[in-house]
Amino acid sequence: GENVEQHPSTLSVQEGDSAVIKCTYSDSASNYFPWYKQELGKGPQLIIDIRSNVGEKKDQRIAVTLNKTAKHFSLHITETQPEDSAVYFCAAPKNARQLTFGSGTQLTVLP
Amino acid sequence: ETGVTQTPRHLVMGMTNKKSLKCEQHLGHNAMYWYKQSAKKPLELMFVYNFKEQTENNSVPSRFSPECPNSSHLFLHLHTLQPEDSALYLCASSPFLAGPTAETQYFGPGTRLLVL
Repeated sequence: GENVEQHPSTLSVQEGDSAVIKCTYSDSASNYFPWYKQELGKGPQLIIDIRSNVGEKKDQRIAVTLNKTAKHFSLHITETQPEDSAVYFCAAPKNARQLTFGSGTQLTVLP
Repeated sequence: ETGVTQTPRHLVMGMTNKKSLKCEQHLGHNAMYWYKQSAKKPLELMFVYNFKEQTENNSVPSRFSPECPNSSHLFLHLHTLQPEDSALYLCASSPFLAGPTAETQYFGPGTRLLVL
């Protein structure tokens, strides 16, 4: 089965700065890596994902990078805004139909 | 209404009560999931249903009983719960396309459960 470790558990940044959250996984066969954002009182919402055939994917201020050799992938948020404050979860496939989630990162963007 | 909906959003129950959580997905998906989210812990998968058939039970105590009458609806029946069962219960769905491809899961807002 897959084991996913996520760091850091908490992260505070000044508004406008960048934030980086990193996850490592154990199964070299894993091929799909989503990132979810969970705001207070809401369920996790997919914000970006990447498959193992690419090394980087961007969507406006959000990007995900994947290093298959080192078995880690990272979420990058640039020009952070207060509304980016939330808990972020990474995930990797436990098997063909299930995901194993990281323990989450509480991101706080300070005005 | 679109996406994945859950009712109720909040529930307080005693240890001897029986209650049910409801999930409905409006995405045309064929797989549905129940997760438990406790403070300071990763999301814990409880049950998986594919095309109404249960395909995964992650050693969940029998006081939690899932029901999936069709691909759009999922229930979690609760009976004689313990205080440590207090948590956010999340429902999710995914397309369940052909082939062993990991899929995006779409989550509902969750039911915040407090067991007294």
